[in-house]
Amino acid sequence: EVQLVESGGGLIQPGGSLRLSCAASGFTVSGSYMSWVRQAPGKGLEWVSAIHNGNDTFYADFAKGRFTISKDNSKNTLFLQMNNLRADDTAVYYCARDQWVFYSGWYEYYFDYWGQGTLVTVSS
Amino acid sequence: SSELTQDPAVSVALGQTVRITCQGDGLRMYYAGWYQQKPGQAPLLVIYGKNYRPSGIPERFSGSSSGNTASLTITGAQAEDEADYFCNSRDNNLNQVVFGGGTKLTVL
Repeated sequence: EVQLVESGGGLIQPGGSLRLSCAASGFTVSGSYMSWVRQAPGKGLEWVSAIHNGNDTFYADFAKGRFTISKDNSKNTLFLQMNNLRADDTAVYYCARDQWVFYSGWYEYYFDYWGQGTLVTVSS
Repeated sequence: SSELTQDPAVSVALGQTVRITCQGDGLRMYYAGWYQQKPGQAPLLVIYGKNYRPSGIPERFSGSSSGNTASLTITGAQAEDEADYFCNSRDNNLNQVVFGGGTKLTVL
């Protein structure tokens, strides 16, 4: 059974740093594409970052230069290092497994498994 | 533009059919992923690809695509389908993933 379990959220002051973790089971992160997606209170889903095979990483504009995605294959765990946090980073952060497919002239990109989320609150 | 546009809210009578749409230029080359999210829960994938349902998703959920518009159709909506629905795609030029703003479905 595939499971994703996030941890590391909490209350942090503006300008502070936080490292989120996402422990995976039922599959290997080394062979998978993985993402972080966030959701501010009462708002919609917002993609944060993705890591593909090897060292290919991608970021939303708001995350570039502040957030770093990585994974530890030996621990089967995904991470998100968040620095210089701002009040508008307050959100539930989900990790998800990505699927990216191309066939017959069409692409598919979707998230087939999600964790339960971890809440990050940036406030003084 | 890589943005995806959804109607903020849609309602449907119990047992009737409802279509939720998602518009964006990226949908001319990407099939949308569709997610259901109930209060306090993580999103759940309900439709992906041309029209595929993950295991456990009822047959009343289906997907389609035409031009720059993707649609999620619920045929015979049930009370438990009341939720927020989000679509997603990807912008290959920007190497970023995009979500629609979400549609709140009310089952009357």
